[in-house]
Amino acid sequence: ETGVTQTPRHLVMGMTNKKSLKCEQHLGHNAMYWYKQSAKKPLELMFVYNFKEQTENNSVPSRFSPECPNSSHLFLHLHTLQPEDSALYLCASSPRRGQLSFGQGTRLTVV
Amino acid sequence: GESVGLHLPTLSVQEGDNSIINCAYSNSASDYFIWYKQESGKGPQFIIDIRSNMDKRQGQRVTVLLNKTVKHLSLQIAATQPGDSAVYFCAESSANFGNEKLTFGTGTRLTIIP
Repeated sequence: ETGVTQTPRHLVMGMTNKKSLKCEQHLGHNAMYWYKQSAKKPLELMFVYNFKEQTENNSVPSRFSPECPNSSHLFLHLHTLQPEDSALYLCASSPRRGQLSFGQGTRLTVV
Repeated sequence: GESVGLHLPTLSVQEGDNSIINCAYSNSASDYFIWYKQESGKGPQFIIDIRSNMDKRQGQRVTVLLNKTVKHLSLQIAATQPGDSAVYFCAESSANFGNEKLTFGTGTRLTIIP
């Protein structure tokens, strides 16, 4: 267990659906992250939140909408996705400087 | 942008042998480096890290070497076991960022041959 829990583990959604990914961390970290992992590509940073404030949006399309209600919870709201958005979405948390702790990821398939 | 590269996408090693996974980075300002291991169906798992004021750090069966002169990082795994089979990622960041903004490499798939 890494202390970072993501739900659901698997998600299949149509292009017109709206769904949300959830992440919860029990490590007392102040920063939370969303990463996208596609086959044969480096992990891509999507969003960074520091003490609930978004500090990084890495040119992510608006069909991905993050929400961070508190330092322990992070959501990624999805709507009108495209098939190329199918990937493993990873949540992570960290102290100010130091290693990121990753969740198990949500395997998303857009059909 | 900055990039982090890995020399080999795949590596096969006989069980019990030592393995070395290499990584090159391009950002001279990078001061923090991490190795992650990712097993199938799981998220990346921290293995070991090193800061730029060191050139070597050892953990349990793992050693990370940092050569800042040539911007090269390596992960050595001693006496490999079947459970070491996974994809290994290096990542780097610099103190310019308030929080860690890690740049990851594409990964090396390590296969341990029984």
